Amino acid sequence: ILNVEQSPQSLHVQEGDSTNFTCSFPSSNFYALHWYRWETAKSPEALFVMTLNGDEKKKGRISATLNTKEGYSYLYIKGSQPEDSATYLCAFRSSGNTGKLIFGQGTTLQVKP
Amino acid sequence: DGGITQSPKYLFRKEGQNVTLSCEQNLNHDAMYWYRQDPGQGLRLIYYSQIVNDFQKGDIAEGYSVSREKKESFPLTVTSAQKNPTAFYLCASSISLGELFFGEGSRLTVL
Repeated sequence: ILNVEQSPQSLHVQEGDSTNFTCSFPSSNFYALHWYRWETAKSPEALFVMTLNGDEKKKGRISATLNTKEGYSYLYIKGSQPEDSATYLCAFRSSGNTGKLIFGQGTTLQVKP
Repeated sequence: DGGITQSPKYLFRKEGQNVTLSCEQNLNHDAMYWYRQDPGQGLRLIYYSQIVNDFQKGDIAEGYSVSREKKESFPLTVTSAQKNPTAFYLCASSISLGELFFGEGSRLTVL
């Protein structure tokens, strides 16, 4: 079973704080790394799909970086807002079995007004 | 509107009964997936299918079965062999190896 780890498990920040969290994945046989946001009572929605080492992607105040050689990705949120409160999931596809998308446990972010 | 529809949203089952969760998509996606979520855990892959009439086991396939007779449909049967079936089940689809689009989930409770 492929191991995808996220840290921290949960995070509480004040509105306006910037924050970041980590996704670790196997450094061999990399195909793609996904980030999803899962808000309470909604379905998970894709934020980014990253495929190249050194990739940096940005959507509004959220950005992500990718290091496939060492097996990690960072998700950054600049100036957190209460509407950013959600669980953030990363998921890994291996080139050895591209059909499988394996998720980490998620990081739950709570932004206090 | 295009999307993924899971039904039922809530389901109660007696021990020893099989139950089937429906997942239908009208996005014309080739790949479909079933995940299970338990409290405090991430999404764990049960089964996935990259093409009609073909599917593969995920990491926790024991006690589950699926079929993929049509591109739009990927039903999941939770059998009596599944030792702890109470969980939240999510279905998803994707264009080939792209981002996943998720349904709203089905919550199964075994009484």
